[in-house]
Amino acid sequence: DVKVTQSSRYLVKRTGEKVFLECVQDMDHENMFWYRQDPGLGLRLIYFSYDVKMKEKGDIPEGYSVSREKKERFSLILESASTNQTSMYLCATWAPSSNYGYTFGSGTRLTVV
Amino acid sequence: AQSVTQPDIHITVSEGASLELRCNYSYGATPYLFWYVQSPGQGLQLLLKYFSGDTLVQGIKGFEAEFKRSQSSFNLRKPSVHWSDAAEYFCAVGKHNQGGKLIFGQGTELSVKP
Repeated sequence: DVKVTQSSRYLVKRTGEKVFLECVQDMDHENMFWYRQDPGLGLRLIYFSYDVKMKEKGDIPEGYSVSREKKERFSLILESASTNQTSMYLCATWAPSSNYGYTFGSGTRLTVV
Repeated sequence: AQSVTQPDIHITVSEGASLELRCNYSYGATPYLFWYVQSPGQGLQLLLKYFSGDTLVQGIKGFEAEFKRSQSSFNLRKPSVHWSDAAEYFCAVGKHNQGGKLIFGQGTELSVKP
């Protein structure tokens, strides 16, 4: 089974800090995604990547950036954390051969104070 | 614009009762359709998916869903709910040529009464 590991389950950061959320997969999936999950809003796509060093904006990229230097790792960066970025962040992977189901990580609950 | 709507934010059913969770989508062509479940404190797990063919699809945990093109709907059903089904359920749509990018609904939280 594909495993998607998010490095932190809970994080508390201060306003203005630069925050790194890490996601690592142990299979050779080309596509990786970052979503944020908020009550009543479901999951909203922040950024995704089709391959190393490739990235595309999702629906809500403002205030975020991403890095994909290696195929297995996809990092989400909050350049200057703000309180409205307090949320659950979910990483997911997908490959065309995976019968079209995402594999999700367990999530990182980020609180910005 | 592409969108997914789950009209019910919260549903409560009695254990043993039947369940139907609604999902409506707006898309330019026939999309790929999914239902995911998120138990408290857990990640999202795929329940079932529809790509093509038979419009009634079976999933895990006794769930099924029916694709109705005329109604742009993909409702999730279960004939008899168990207390362990209490969770949040998400409907999602996507297209293969968009590299797996999915659009999710707002989610429906299911509570189960004993």
